[in-house]
Amino acid sequence: DVKVTQSSRYLVKRTGEKVFLECVQDMDHENMFWYRQDPGLGLRLIYFSYDVKMKEKGDIPEGYSVSREKKERFSLILESASTNQTSMYLCASSFSRLVATDTQYFGPGTRLTVL
Amino acid sequence: QKEVEQNSGPLSVPEGAIASLNCTYSDRGSQSFFWYRQYSGKSPELIMFIYSNGDKEDGRFTAQLNKASQYVSLLIRDSQPSDSATYLCAVIDSGGSNYKLTFGKGTLLTVNP
Repeated sequence: DVKVTQSSRYLVKRTGEKVFLECVQDMDHENMFWYRQDPGLGLRLIYFSYDVKMKEKGDIPEGYSVSREKKERFSLILESASTNQTSMYLCASSFSRLVATDTQYFGPGTRLTVL
Repeated sequence: QKEVEQNSGPLSVPEGAIASLNCTYSDRGSQSFFWYRQYSGKSPELIMFIYSNGDKEDGRFTAQLNKASQYVSLLIRDSQPSDSATYLCAVIDSGGSNYKLTFGKGTLLTVNP
């Protein structure tokens, strides 16, 4: 079974703090994704990566950065957290960007609250 | 902006009935379509995907795709209370070399015992 894990289920941070969200997958997947999910807005893609050290912006990259130094690990960084970044953050991974039916598998999510 | 539209619901059906969930998409070049189920407080899990016109069945679930009408649906037969969840439709973008998913906002399904 594919397993995607995220470093924290719940996180509370203060405005202006630097926040790291970690995601690890154990299936040697090429692709990794960071989404946020908000009521009424659905799942929105922040960033994705299709290879080590490669990244592409998603639909809402502002205020976020990412790092992928190893294939299995993809980190989301909030350089200076703000209250409007309070959200559920979901990491996902998939096998290959070259497969049109490639399935994304999700981690359990991190609920981040910025005070 | 490529869009995926779903009726937000809630859709309420009695136990044992057929639940019908619908999704339309704006990108005519989209190739593959996914249905995810998300229980409250949990992350999305894949139910099934479809990429050819017509029907695809998996147990109590049937996905239907009509590319000409840009429409995909999910039927759940013999609905159970455990099917109560939000159902997300997702579409693979046709542009570029990387296959990104665009998600609809989801339809909340409630199955009443």
